Amino acid sequence: AQRVTQPEKLLSVFKGAPVELKCNYSYSGSPELFWYVQYSRQRLQLLLRHISRESIKGFTADLNKGETSFHLKKPFAQEEDSAMYYCALRPLSNTGKLIFGQGTTLQVKP
Amino acid sequence: GAGVSQSPSNKVTEKGKDVELRCDPISGHTALYWYRQRLGQGLEFLIYFQGNSAPDKSGLPSDRFSAERTGESVSTLTIQRTQQEDSAVYLCASSPMGLAGANVLTFGAGSRLTVL
Repeated sequence: AQRVTQPEKLLSVFKGAPVELKCNYSYSGSPELFWYVQYSRQRLQLLLRHISRESIKGFTADLNKGETSFHLKKPFAQEEDSAMYYCALRPLSNTGKLIFGQGTTLQVKP
Repeated sequence: GAGVSQSPSNKVTEKGKDVELRCDPISGHTALYWYRQRLGQGLEFLIYFQGNSAPDKSGLPSDRFSAERTGESVSTLTIQRTQQEDSAVYLCASSPMGLAGANVLTFGAGSRLTVL
């Protein structure tokens, strides 16, 4: 069965510190991985997807198939990065549902 | 409209009553999803509609939950005989197509359900 695990419920860092939000997945085939973000009082929205290999708001994420991970990283956290972050997976082999992890709350302190 | 619209935004009901939650997807989006977000928990998949295909209902937690979608438009999520554990934010999302690698979900603001 497909599963996404975000081991940290809360991650608290100081402004300017590096950030790494962990995401591990369980799927035997080739997945499509995403990071979604929900800022306070805003809708859940896409942050980035692995097939685009892009950097959004300074965040990057690399798909590591050997470790089945898709960790989200940013070298210098900003206060405006404080939000709830969800990792999500869709199997590339079908057109079905997007599976989300439990989410990690990132708190960036001044 | 410009985005995914959900109604009501807030619903308080008594245990045992039925509730209906509505989702208006973005025009032209063939895929529609319902998720549940309980307080302090992650996004729980409920049901997925893709065009005229049979919906994926594998996430519905019990037979008290059902959902319908008319064509590629509005969807209604119905919860019968509500229980306190049904209290959550119900999120709807739509995407332009179901093909792998092609779609990104656009979420609505959610319907917050409180069962007393």
